Amino acid sequence: SYVLTLPPSVSVAPGKTASITCGGDNIGGKSVHWYQQKPGQAPVLVIFYDTDRPSGIPERFSGSNSGNTATLTISRVEAGDEADYYCQVWDSSRDHWVFGGGTKLTVL
Amino acid sequence: EVQLLESGGNLVQPGGSLRLSCAASGFTFDSHAMSWVRQAPGKGLDWVSTISGSASYTYYADSVKGRFTVSRDNSKNTVYLQMNSLRVEDTAVFYCARARTADGRRDYFDYWGQGTLVAVSS
Repeated sequence: SYVLTLPPSVSVAPGKTASITCGGDNIGGKSVHWYQQKPGQAPVLVIFYDTDRPSGIPERFSGSNSGNTATLTISRVEAGDEADYYCQVWDSSRDHWVFGGGTKLTVL
Repeated sequence: EVQLLESGGNLVQPGGSLRLSCAASGFTFDSHAMSWVRQAPGKGLDWVSTISGSASYTYYADSVKGRFTVSRDNSKNTVYLQMNSLRVEDTAVFYCARARTADGRRDYFDYWGQGTLVAVSS
């Protein structure tokens, strides 16, 4: 089965840039979607199709995808960005939707 | 406004059954595939099942195939998850999520419900 690998945690100071990587075999050939989940809340889509932002998501959130790594970048990080972040792809070989294990973003 | 409201979560013994429901509103229901995603306590998101908009196609994670059945009633704007032979490891918050298209494949989940808790314990 297709595996997505994220770092368990990332820490960043307020105002700095956070990068969360999502690794997978030739993930650059897939479409990657990113979700933000705050404690006690449902996930929220923040990036779809590698680079697109849903309406209402700040421009500070951006994405990229190439080779074996997709990246979610959060610029000018704010305390309110502290959350768990998940990447997701569709595994066409098995008709399965796959989530990465999640990264806890801590704002110092 | 898109709304998804799950219900049916409960405490159940191992080997028992439960049916979850997700009532949808605010969009053309049969134009979207619907999925169930679960989250065990303190763990990450785990895709469970997806049903296409017309209910022609259903998909299951290996861990639930043969035990869970997804269905939908487009006249009631509701999707269901029938869970049989429940195991302790099925304990989780179950979220209902909308896919962007009726097919759902290659899609992301653009709206999520607030979840319903299923606890499997003796």
